[in-house]
Amino acid sequence: AQSVTQLDSQVPVFEEAPVELRCNYSSSVSVYLFWYVQYPNQGLQLLLKYLSGSTLVKGINGFEAEFNKSQTSFHLRKPSVHISDTAEYFCAVSIIQGAQKLVFGQGTRLTINP
Amino acid sequence: DTAVSQTPKYLVTQMGNDKSIKCEQNLGHDTMYWYKQDSKKFLKIMFSYNNKELIINETVPNRFSPKSPDKAHLNLHINSLELGDSAVYFCASSQEPGSASGGPSTDTQYFGPGTRLTVL
Repeated sequence: AQSVTQLDSQVPVFEEAPVELRCNYSSSVSVYLFWYVQYPNQGLQLLLKYLSGSTLVKGINGFEAEFNKSQTSFHLRKPSVHISDTAEYFCAVSIIQGAQKLVFGQGTRLTINP
Repeated sequence: DTAVSQTPKYLVTQMGNDKSIKCEQNLGHDTMYWYKQDSKKFLKIMFSYNNKELIINETVPNRFSPKSPDKAHLNLHINSLELGDSAVYFCASSQEPGSASGGPSTDTQYFGPGTRLTVL
């Protein structure tokens, strides 16, 4: 079975500092990887996804993630965060089960302090 | 122009009641989903429909019954509500159920704003 582990439940950082949100997955088959963001009281919005090709994926709002197959990781990074990046971030893998089935990690709460 | 909409946004009800949550998407997608997000923010898929046909049915109590009158709508009906049903329910949609080769779908899922259900 596929699973996703987000290693940090909460990450506090100061504004303009860099940040890395960690994600590891396990799967016996090839998967696609996603990062979604959930702003307070809103639904989820796609930040970026890895399908194939270059292991460095760039997304919206200055975020990027790197797929590392040997370490089964897909960590999310941003070189300089802003107050508006405060949100819950979810890593997910996509598997096939008649339809696309997203398996989510438990989320990482990113808090940006001034 | 909302892509995926859900009603109501908040739902407070007593144990034992029956309630429904509605979802509509105007993206022309073929596949729709229901997810449950618990108090610890953990998201888990419940159901998925493709062109009005049920294709994913996770281990969910049969008190939960999804209904898809057409491919733009996927409603969730819950009978005999219990305290543990309190959660945020998200609807989502995507264009394709999965690739013909059997590999995972590459398509992005678009989420609604969520319905916060509180059972007292």
